Amino acid sequence: ETGVTQTPRHLVMGMTNKKSLKCEQHLGHNAMYWYKQSAKKPLELMFVYNFKEQTENNSVPSRFSPECPNSSHLFLHLHTLQPEDSALYLCASSHGTGGSYEQYFGPGTRLTVT
Amino acid sequence: GQNIDQPTEMTATEGAIVQINCTYQTSGFNGLFWYQQHAGEAPTFLSYNVLDGLEEKGRFSSFLSRSKGYSYLLLKELQMKDSASYLCAAMDSNYQLIWGAGTKLIIKP
Repeated sequence: ETGVTQTPRHLVMGMTNKKSLKCEQHLGHNAMYWYKQSAKKPLELMFVYNFKEQTENNSVPSRFSPECPNSSHLFLHLHTLQPEDSALYLCASSHGTGGSYEQYFGPGTRLTVT
Repeated sequence: GQNIDQPTEMTATEGAIVQINCTYQTSGFNGLFWYQQHAGEAPTFLSYNVLDGLEEKGRFSSFLSRSKGYSYLLLKELQMKDSASYLCAAMDSNYQLIWGAGTKLIIKP
């Protein structure tokens, strides 16, 4: 247990569906992240929030829409996804976004787009 | 561009020592992280180096050479539970982590 939880753990959705991934951290951290992890590829940073403000958006398609209502919760809203979006989506948090602040990861949501 | 290179897979024997290498090219540098990820689980933090040299933490040590853009993770007295993927990540001048694809370490009895 890292103090970061994600739901659901597994999700299968069609290309026309709308779904949301949820992340919650119980560590009192100020920064939260969404990553995409595909097999045998590096982790891809998607979004960064620091004190609820989005600070990074790494050219992510608009079919992925993040929401950060407070420093403890982070959502990723999904709509009209493509099969290539199938991957493990990891949420992480850290005290801050600079220097030696290690990131604590949740267990991930395994997403399959059919 | 920014890039991290590490071997895709390594095999070692229980009780032995293994060194996992990582080379990086980033725009600026604010430190090098190593994470461990067991299959189906979250990555967990192992080490952070920002100055040259060796940092020892129990059976695990991490080394950094900034001038060479090189780091390694050294695992001693290998145990079966060390079978996992080891992720190298360098922090660039914008404090963004650039990740390697990970090294899958297989431990054999």
